Amino acid sequence: EVQLVESGGGLVQPGGSLRLSCAPSGFTLTGYWMSWVRQAPGKGLEWVAYINEAGSEKYYLDSVKGRFTISRDNAQNSLYLQMSSLGAEDTAVYYCARVRPPHYFDCWGQGTLVTVSS
Amino acid sequence: QSALTQPPSASGSPGQSVTISCTGTSSDIGGYNSVSWYQQHSGKAPKLMIYEVSKRPSGVPDRFSGSKSGNTASLTVSGLQAGDEADYYCCSNAGSNNRVIFGGGTKLTVL
Repeated sequence: EVQLVESGGGLVQPGGSLRLSCAPSGFTLTGYWMSWVRQAPGKGLEWVAYINEAGSEKYYLDSVKGRFTISRDNAQNSLYLQMSSLGAEDTAVYYCARVRPPHYFDCWGQGTLVTVSS
Repeated sequence: QSALTQPPSASGSPGQSVTISCTGTSSDIGGYNSVSWYQQHSGKAPKLMIYEVSKRPSGVPDRFSGSKSGNTASLTVSGLQAGDEADYYCCSNAGSNNRVIFGGGTKLTVL
């Protein structure tokens, strides 16, 4: 069965940093674009970032550009999201998702909750 | 870029059909055939239901169908069942620079 498993969420103080990880099972990340999508409590889905197969192209939501970095280690079969200068508006469940062209998400993880609060 | 516009709620009785709209602009929905729809049950991860406007992934019942006209996409659920009660989100790419936007979501209630 194709699955994605996120980890690394938790409580962080405003201005702090956190790194999320995502590991697949049932497939390898190689050959797929990957993405992070978040969902604030009681709110809708919001795309956060894309990364291409090789990690050479990265695209971000404007509000996270310069603060978040998406990366991948194909050898370790893992996807990451490094988040810094976190604010209350970043509180959300963060999902990693596999991307299929042109722009849809065919496999989602269960999500990891990030709470930014003092 | 603003979120795509969806009605906050929709409802229907078992066996009936319901259509959920998703309105964007010529820069997103109207400019590309890359609309997708996701079903999200409470507390669960989203699930892909429709991609490329009207295609169904393997395993998704043919009771779910998608279409697009101009800047508006639609998801129709026919033969409503209790298990269809969930939040539904539309999604589109937003321009040629690899950005994605979602709709605000529609809560579907099966009466």
